[in-house]
Formats: sequence, C-alpha cells, structure tokens
Amino acid sequence: QVQLVQSGAEVKKPGTSMNVSCKASGYSFTRYYLHWVRQAPGQGLEWLGIINPFSGGTTYSQKFQGRVTMTKDTSTSTIFIQLSSLTSEDTAVYFCARDRAGIDAWPKYFFDYWGQGTLVTVSS
Amino acid sequence: DIQMTQSPSSLSASVGDKVTITCQASQDVSNHLTWYQQKPGKAPKLLIYDASNLETGVPFRFSGSGSGTAFTFTISSLQPEDVGTFFCQQYDHLPLTFGGGTRVDFK
Repeated sequence: QVQLVQSGAEVKKPGTSMNVSCKASGYSFTRYYLHWVRQAPGQGLEWLGIINPFSGGTTYSQKFQGRVTMTKDTSTSTIFIQLSSLTSEDTAVYFCARDRAGIDAWPKYFFDYWGQGTLVTVSS
Repeated sequence: DIQMTQSPSSLSASVGDKVTITCQASQDVSNHLTWYQQKPGKAPKLLIYDASNLETGVPFRFSGSGSGTAFTFTISSLQPEDVGTFFCQQYDHLPLTFGGGTRVDFK
C-alpha cells in the first residue's frame, strides 16, 4: 500500500534551517508528483511547493521563494525539504503529500496520500 | 492569492443530523475544489475532488456541490466517526489555498 514516512521532529533556533525527509513506498516513486504542505499549531493548511520526482523540477509558493529548497533522491525514493532563515512563524507540522496525477500528465494539485507529519519547532 | 472562506468555523451536531459546510472563493475556481477531513494528530484525508466527485472508499453520506465561487459540503447523516475538522482547498490557481477549517463535534 502507498506509504509516505517522514523524518522525526526537529527543534531549531531562529535563523537556522530545517531539513525534513519523506520516504515513499508502495508505488513507483518517480511516477507521481509530491508536495509539501504545512500546518501551524491550531491553524489551517499552507502549501509550500511541488516536486517532480522524475526530473527534480520544482514549483514553489512565491511566499517561500528564496528560502525553500525541495530535492529528491531516487535511489532511496525520498524527497527532502529545506527551509532556511527560520522564525517562530515557521513552527508547524510539515506534511508531504502525493499528487493525484502521474507525471505523464499535468499535476492535479490535490492530494490522495499524506505523510504522518513532522513537527518543526523554532525557538530560541 | 485566492482566499477561501469557510463557514461555520465550528459546529456541534447529533448522530444522524444533516451537516452542511460552505466554502466561498475570492475568485472563480471553476470546479477545482476538494474537501478533506482531518482527525486530531493525523494527516488530512481526501473526501471529495472536482467539487462533487466522491473519492473511492469514502462513504456515500458525504457529498459536495457548487462551482465558481460558492461550494457546499454535506454529511447527510452524521456518524460518530465523522468528528474532526473539514477543510476545502482550491486548485485552480497557484498558490494552492485552503479554507480555515470547520471543526465538527457532537452535542
């Protein structure tokens, strides 16, 4: 069955960077787009961007442009997100999520499978 | 960015009640709208896509309707396992944006 398993919780100091991973299994990793979405405590959901696991191509939300980097490692079926220059407003649960569409089509931009979430706390 | 305004922000209902949630987009998103359910401490689960299509395996008591800027999500007969927070999401324009959520619990 499709599974997205994320790395564990992180505590970061303001101004540093976070790195979260998401390992896919149960399907062909390079066949489906993957996204990153975050949720601040008690808040709604916010989209950060999308990665094509085949080509490595990315599209980022303009809000995070210049501060976010999404990468992939095909050998381990894993994607990564790095967010730099952290502030307390970046404290959130970060989710990876699979796009409904395969990469032979344009992304659908909604999500049929999600990781379990990774809490990143930014605190001095 | 497209703003998604969901209402109500919370509601309490009884088992068997009909529950209706609305989602208003700040501009036309066609039928490019999904509904998710999120239980505490869990990832969201896809329920409805393309405004009215039921995801495989999702009970028929869930339904969605609407297009353009006004959308409705309905639970025809609330069940105990339906407690949680429901979110709408538009995918017509980037960045993808979500409603603020509707928390559903029991009276």
